[in-house]
Amino acid sequence: EPEVTQTPSHQVTQMGQEVILRCVPISNHLYFYWYRQILGQKVEFLVSFYNNEISEKSEIFDDQFSVERPDGSNFTLKIRSTKLEDSAMYFCASSERWQGNYGYTFGSGTRLTVV
Amino acid sequence: GEDVEQSLFLSVREGDSSVINCTYTDSSSTYLYWYKQEPGAGLQLLTYIFSNMDMKQDQRLTVLLNKKDKHLSLRIADTQTGDSAIYFCAEAGKSTFGDGTTLTVKP
Repeated sequence: EPEVTQTPSHQVTQMGQEVILRCVPISNHLYFYWYRQILGQKVEFLVSFYNNEISEKSEIFDDQFSVERPDGSNFTLKIRSTKLEDSAMYFCASSERWQGNYGYTFGSGTRLTVV
Repeated sequence: GEDVEQSLFLSVREGDSSVINCTYTDSSSTYLYWYKQEPGAGLQLLTYIFSNMDMKQDQRLTVLLNKKDKHLSLRIADTQTGDSAIYFCAEAGKSTFGDGTTLTVKP
């Protein structure tokens, strides 16, 4: 069964450093998303991406965040200067359609720890 | 707003039925989903219901949809310890997930 793959599974970084979280969505999917989940809290939407541009973003997705689809397979989330409060699980997801009976397929997540 | 609300905790005994409830706000949602998150893992799509249906059954899972009240429920029959997880409801095309219901199944 097709999967969304995220790397690394765990990333530790120093405050102020840049991190890039990587995702390989399902190959025939057209919509891509990043979510985050701070430990013990709800799943929060960050950004959606379609046709090589951001289609929607939340208040969390400020100027420190950016997304990119550098080639035909990868979808990355960059945090320019990490803060302690950026520590969370970051989930990538993709979907074939904006709405549909398959929902979103999520990756297993990257646990980001900012120290 | 676009809030999706769920009760936070549910505890049942193994073999009992579990019912997890959700209320949503957007009556134009065409699909509604239930996702399951096991400890330390990502979200796994469990099941979905199309908005013109009021019930869908999928093995041990039954989804009930009341469009008038914007209420969605997930019933798990014969709940097993492996069903212990956090369950999220979500609306298609929306960015919002509920807070999640933590289901604890006691042996």
